Amino acid sequence: EPEVTQTPSHQVTQMGQEVILRCVPISNHLYFYWYRQILGQKVEFLVSFYNNEISEKSEIFDDQFSVERPDGSNFTLKIRSTKLEDSAMYFCASNGNLYSGANVLTFGAGSRLTVL
Amino acid sequence: GESVGLHLPTLSVQEGDNSIINCAYSNSASDYFIWYKQESGKGPQFIIDIRSNMDKRQGQRVTVLLNKTVKHLSLQIAATQPGDSAVYFCAEIFYNQGGKLIFGQGTELSVKP
Repeated sequence: EPEVTQTPSHQVTQMGQEVILRCVPISNHLYFYWYRQILGQKVEFLVSFYNNEISEKSEIFDDQFSVERPDGSNFTLKIRSTKLEDSAMYFCASNGNLYSGANVLTFGAGSRLTVL
Repeated sequence: GESVGLHLPTLSVQEGDNSIINCAYSNSASDYFIWYKQESGKGPQFIIDIRSNMDKRQGQRVTVLLNKTVKHLSLQIAATQPGDSAVYFCAEIFYNQGGKLIFGQGTELSVKP
């Protein structure tokens, strides 16, 4: 079964450092997403990406965040200057066709970010 | 506004019993609801979805009920098994906003053997 792959599985960084979280979506998917989940809380939408541009972003996704699809297979989330409150699990997701039903939206296993 | 929430944070059931997990939503324009299961250390996993023009949808051992009058969604799991232990989230999909999902708070289901 096709998977969304995320790396690293866990990253520890110092406050103020830049972090890049990487995702390899399912190969024929067109819609890409980042979500985050602070420990013990609900999953929160960050950003959606389609046709090489951001289609929607939340208020969490401020100027410190950026996304990129650099080579047609990877989808990255960059946090320029991490803060303590950025510590969370970050999930990448991809979807082949928005209107085919939610069962084709696939999440990765997540990247845990710990900011010290 | 956009808001999906859950009534109970935890639910403990005996193996073999039926489980009912509830969810309330506030966006009356929602046209698609989904239930996700999240096991420890994993991403959300699709369980079942329902369109807003439906009241009920059944899957394998799971049933989702939608009451639009009171904006209430529930997930029923029949003959709950230890492998069903996880956090369950309801979510709402917004097709006109890039297909983003808005998740509820989550209910942790614990199945006692």
